[in-house]
Amino acid sequence: EIVLTQSPDTLSLSPGERATLSCRASQSISSSHLAWYQQKPGQAPRLLIFGASSRATGIPDRFSGSGSGTDFTLTISRLEPEDFALYYCQRYGSSPLTFGGGTKVEIK
Amino acid sequence: QVQLVQSGAEVKKPGSSVKVSCKASGRIFNTYAISWVRQAPGQGLEWMGGIVAIFRTANYAQRFQGRITITADESTNTAYIELSSLRSDDTAVYYCARHPGYHYESSHFDYWGQGTLVTVSS
Repeated sequence: EIVLTQSPDTLSLSPGERATLSCRASQSISSSHLAWYQQKPGQAPRLLIFGASSRATGIPDRFSGSGSGTDFTLTISRLEPEDFALYYCQRYGSSPLTFGGGTKVEIK
Repeated sequence: QVQLVQSGAEVKKPGSSVKVSCKASGRIFNTYAISWVRQAPGQGLEWMGGIVAIFRTANYAQRFQGRITITADESTNTAYIELSSLRSDDTAVYYCARHPGYHYESSHFDYWGQGTLVTVSS
């Protein structure tokens, strides 16, 4: 099973700042098989990025994804108040599908 | 707009079974795969299993083998997950999620249900 490790656990930033979230895989994965989701309290996750760098429909361009092999990054260029939430990376391509443990982006 | 509407919260005794439904707006099970993902209180997301479109064959995460069944009924546009031999650590919110492809392994999750809280308590 491929394990995804997200860092940091918590990111404390102010609105307008840049957020950089990391997702590291225990073995190399195809970059076309990595997604990122945002989750707010009491809500289902929402797809942000798929294929490592493709934005989902309706996702603002301040969200971007990059990376390959074992290291992937989600960047939020300028944090808006609605961006403070939990973020998960997820790999697909073979079973079992796995998620990272999540990074919480909180208001400093 | 795709909508996945799940059944309501459940309270179950240890050792019993639970069946959660996920009704889709429109005919999706002949085209798109569906997975079930759960989230224990304060914890992360865990994939439990998925069902392939058209053929409706299911595969499950190893840790649930033997006590999980995922099915899809095309006639009612509804998917189900049944989990048996419930334990207290099965207490979680259970989500159904659609894949934008026919096989759950080949794609991400693009639409999610609203979640169903299952509480296992004596």
